[in-house]
Amino acid sequence: QVQLQESGPGLVKPSQTLSLTCTVSGGSISSGSYYWSWIRQPAGKGLEWIGRIYTSGSTNYNPSLKSRVTISVDTSKNQFSLKLSSVTAADTAVYYCARVTTSGYYHWFDPWGQGTLVTVSS
Amino acid sequence: QSVLTQPPSVSGAPGQRVTISCTGSSSNIGAGYDVHWYQQLPGTAPKLLIYGNSNRPSGVPDRFSGSKSGTSASLAITGLQAEDEADYYCQSYDSSLSVYVFGTGTKVTVL
Repeated sequence: QVQLQESGPGLVKPSQTLSLTCTVSGGSISSGSYYWSWIRQPAGKGLEWIGRIYTSGSTNYNPSLKSRVTISVDTSKNQFSLKLSSVTAADTAVYYCARVTTSGYYHWFDPWGQGTLVTVSS
Repeated sequence: QSVLTQPPSVSGAPGQRVTISCTGSSSNIGAGYDVHWYQQLPGTAPKLLIYGNSNRPSGVPDRFSGSKSGTSASLAITGLQAEDEADYYCQSYDSSLSVYVFGTGTKVTVL
């Protein structure tokens, strides 16, 4: 059974770059036709999709974050990563990684990592 | 950005039936994109509850059911149990915005 686990600093200073890694276990990140995605959730608020990557390296980003986001994949380590630049307090959130099943008119997220809280503060 | 609208909260007594609506538009649900539902228990990550409008992943009780019609979808919980207290989110894809979109979220309270 595939499991995902986020890792990275829990505190980032304003204007710096947030960097997180998602490690996939229980299966190869390259097997099957899946995308791999990042989603975030500010405290007490809803879910916001950040972006996704295919193991070929092809990416799609939320236009609202596109100028600041980079998602990459390292198939040799069974990991994919998120970089969000020029962060502000508004980027404080729990960040989740998730696998995306997608084909035609269906796209869903399963499984999810447990999430990691990133606080932007000086 | 939440382009799928859900009621902020619904409640019911144990054993009752509750429904949660998810209203979208012609660029997401109305465009034919499937709706999926997630359950988020307090302090935990969202968990897939319903996929493809009405399908339950293995292990999800048949008390949970989903449907879709036009630009809206619904999640029904029958035989409400205390363990169902959680936040529920719908999700789809928006072709106009080119993003995955989530609903505003609904808190289910068991009275």
